[in-house]
Amino acid sequence: DAGVIQSPRHEVTEMGQEVTLRCKPISGHNSLFWYRQTMMRGLELLIYFNNNVPIDDSGMPEDRFSAKMPNASFSTLKIQPSEPRDSAVYFCASSESTRNQPQHFGDGTRLSIL
Amino acid sequence: QKEVEQNSGPLSVPEGAIASLNCTYSDRGSQSFFWYRQYSGKSPELIMFIYSNGDKEDGRFTAQLNKASQYVSLLIRDSQPSDSATYLCALFSGNTPLVFGKGTRLSVIA
Repeated sequence: DAGVIQSPRHEVTEMGQEVTLRCKPISGHNSLFWYRQTMMRGLELLIYFNNNVPIDDSGMPEDRFSAKMPNASFSTLKIQPSEPRDSAVYFCASSESTRNQPQHFGDGTRLSIL
Repeated sequence: QKEVEQNSGPLSVPEGAIASLNCTYSDRGSQSFFWYRQYSGKSPELIMFIYSNGDKEDGRFTAQLNKASQYVSLLIRDSQPSDSATYLCALFSGNTPLVFGKGTRLSVIA
């Protein structure tokens, strides 16, 4: 079975540019989660969706960040404009539901903003 | 604020020994508990989950849950250098999705 698929794996771009990260959850999973991981702050939940609907975006750091899930098999996380402090590894995860079910992670996108 | 606390380590154990990783949590209503392993530069990988008090064994791994004392632990028997990684404790509490600890770095010395 295919796991969670993220693209790109690496992104290097200059400050001020728009960055779009993509995620395809595991087929049949109803919940999708976007995380950011840094050495200093660990794994932070940014936003999560249930049945394509955003449930909680309180972890999104600023209005520069936005996320969408237009259908059950695709989600994007966009940063516009990007800043050097956005450099981190961004993970997408999916699960069968938001409650009491394990989350399965994609390989992540390593983002570097110069 | 629901918190999950882990010692950041590194925890160093010799090859073949038992590694004991601990996690405490603040919300007494927490319901289900997960251990993830994360190798350097890789994504978190689920290795164990436990819902009820007591022990749950899977191969060389044993998860232990004590809800009264609000801790969950992971034992790794016959530790191997390939077990060297960061271990993340995570749990469900109330209506929030998984809350993760910051992880314990384990180093198994050959």
